[in-house]
Amino acid sequence: KQEVTQIPAALSVPEGENLVLNCSFTDSAIYNLQWFRQDPGKGLTSLLLIQSSQREQTSGRLNASLDKSSGRSTLYIAASQPGDSATYLCAAHSGNTPLVFGKGTRLSVIA
Amino acid sequence: NAGVTQTPKFQVLKTGQSMTLQCAQDMNHNSMYWYRQDPGMGLRLIYYSASEGTTDKGEVPNGYNVSRLNKREFSLRLESAAPSQTSVYFCASSEAPSSNEQFFGPGTRLTVL
Repeated sequence: KQEVTQIPAALSVPEGENLVLNCSFTDSAIYNLQWFRQDPGKGLTSLLLIQSSQREQTSGRLNASLDKSSGRSTLYIAASQPGDSATYLCAAHSGNTPLVFGKGTRLSVIA
Repeated sequence: NAGVTQTPKFQVLKTGQSMTLQCAQDMNHNSMYWYRQDPGMGLRLIYYSASEGTTDKGEVPNGYNVSRLNKREFSLRLESAAPSQTSVYFCASSEAPSSNEQFFGPGTRLTVL
């Protein structure tokens, strides 16, 4: 059974810092891995989707990487801004089951 | 395009009452999903519909029923609400069950007293 873990649960950084959020998964036979952003009281916004055949995906200041052999994905945020403050969730899709979510990392970017 | 819409946004029920949460998508997606989100538990899949006419149980289906009314609409029904069903419910859709990006609705915040 796929399990997804995100560490740390919370992170606070000063504005302008580059940062990395971590996601690990137990079943390396994944179809894809998706990163989401969730603002307080809101739904999930898809940020990046990495297919199993890909190593990374980029969107603006965001870069997500995937290493299936080690069961890890990272989300890199460049030049962080207070508007990046949110909870970031990763989710892995493997086997016949739809997405399995991590519990998220709550990011605070301090001005 | 509105994407994924959910109604209602908020609901308060008494124990034993029933209600249906509605979800619709306008992206012509084949697959739709219902999740619940609880503090400390993360997002958990309740039911999903890989395509019109099919539904399957997820991780936490007990106490819920679903109906895939047509390609656009997927409803979640609580027949006899319990306090343990107090949660935020999210509907999502994707083009296909595998390999495709999921898009989420804004959620329904349900409180069962």
